Amino acid sequence: GENVEQHPSTLSVQEGDSAVIKCTYSDSASNYFPWYKQELGKGPQLIIDIRSNVGEKKDQRIAVTLNKTAKHFSLHITETQPEDSAVYFCAASGRRGYSTLTFGKGTMLLVSP
Amino acid sequence: GAGVSQSPSNKVTEKGKDVELRCDPISGHTALYWYRQSLGQGLEFLIYFQGNSAPDKSGLPSDRFSAERTGGSVSTLTIQRTQQEDSAVYLCASSLSAGTGNTIYFGEGSWLTVV
Repeated sequence: GENVEQHPSTLSVQEGDSAVIKCTYSDSASNYFPWYKQELGKGPQLIIDIRSNVGEKKDQRIAVTLNKTAKHFSLHITETQPEDSAVYFCAASGRRGYSTLTFGKGTMLLVSP
Repeated sequence: GAGVSQSPSNKVTEKGKDVELRCDPISGHTALYWYRQSLGQGLEFLIYFQGNSAPDKSGLPSDRFSAERTGGSVSTLTIQRTQQEDSAVYLCASSLSAGTGNTIYFGEGSWLTVV
């Protein structure tokens, strides 16, 4: 089945810096790659996603890039703010032909003021 | 409702007891998922329901785990004879339909502690 690896497991940055989280996946049939943000005590919330027919997608300070040949995708957060501090999960979907996601183990991002 | 609703939000149970966790998906969503999140781990797929189709149970870790979805809406995850390793956050999610790429919305989770 699908396997998603995520790095780093923790990331500390200063406010205003950029943060990059990287994921690799194993199943070349995967075609949908969402990113979720999870704050303490809450469920994961979708922040951005990308489909396999697109190489890059941007939404304000957040961007995601996808390299299907290398089977990796990355989350980029620019001008980080303390409220960006959370656990971020990448995921991949597609093998089953429906929406079930395989998740990475998460990255704890800490943005210091 | 406005979002995926789960109950209870917290549950402490004794080893060997059975527990039931409830999920009420977003109105109109035909697909429903259960995931498990252990401390410091990612989300582990458990089971998936789509309309009246047979559920995909491939992620259930043992036969002590079962789930049902009544009337295509509310779902209940049951864990029988709970063990300490069952302690985790159980997350329910739903999406509009089953097609790949449909946004999956998560509830706040049910925190289960087995003592």
